[in-house]
Amino acid sequence: AQTIHQWPVAEIKAVGSPLSLGCTIKGKSSPNLYWYWQATGGTLQQLFYSITVGQVESVVQLNLSASRPKDDQFILSTEKLLLSHSGFYLCAWSLGQLNQDTQYFGPGTRLLVL
Amino acid sequence: GDSVTQTEGPVTVSESESLIINCTYSATSIAYPNLFWYVRYPGEGLQLLLKVITAGQKGSSRGFEATYNKETTSFHLQKASVQESDSAVYYCALGAHNYAQGLTFGLGTRVSVFP
Repeated sequence: AQTIHQWPVAEIKAVGSPLSLGCTIKGKSSPNLYWYWQATGGTLQQLFYSITVGQVESVVQLNLSASRPKDDQFILSTEKLLLSHSGFYLCAWSLGQLNQDTQYFGPGTRLLVL
Repeated sequence: GDSVTQTEGPVTVSESESLIINCTYSATSIAYPNLFWYVRYPGEGLQLLLKVITAGQKGSSRGFEATYNKETTSFHLQKASVQESDSAVYYCALGAHNYAQGLTFGLGTRVSVFP
């Protein structure tokens, strides 16, 4: 069975500080990986996707970056947090085939920037 | 771009009553998108409730049903008799058959079921 793990569970960070959020997927080789973000009261918004190691595409510019250093790992980061980065971050995976857009989500990381 | 609009919450309903959460979509990137309902129970992650990929067909799971209506561009979620354990946030979403594009979500509807 596939499992998806996100870390940390929650963070409180200062404006201007760096951030690194992680996601690992076990039990599925070569998945498509995604980062989503949900501001308080807002909808889930896709930030990045990756279909293979080392390749990441940005969907929305939020002064964040993402990397995929391993097949099963997806990292979201920034060197300088903004207040607007607060929210809920979700990692997701899907099968690497056309027409397979069902996505499976991790438990999420709640971020508060002060 | 694509968009999804759903019933604004919170929705409060008594146990054993019926529930309907409205969802309408606008798909500009594709004529026949895949449609999804996801659910987040308290303290848990977002999980797939049901998915329908063919217009006119109905999906069902855990007593919930939703029919893909191309004419009205709707995908309403219904349950005839809810239980307290159905208390959750429900999200309607649209997929464009493109694994790279991601899903377009509605704002979510918080449902509270009281005994």
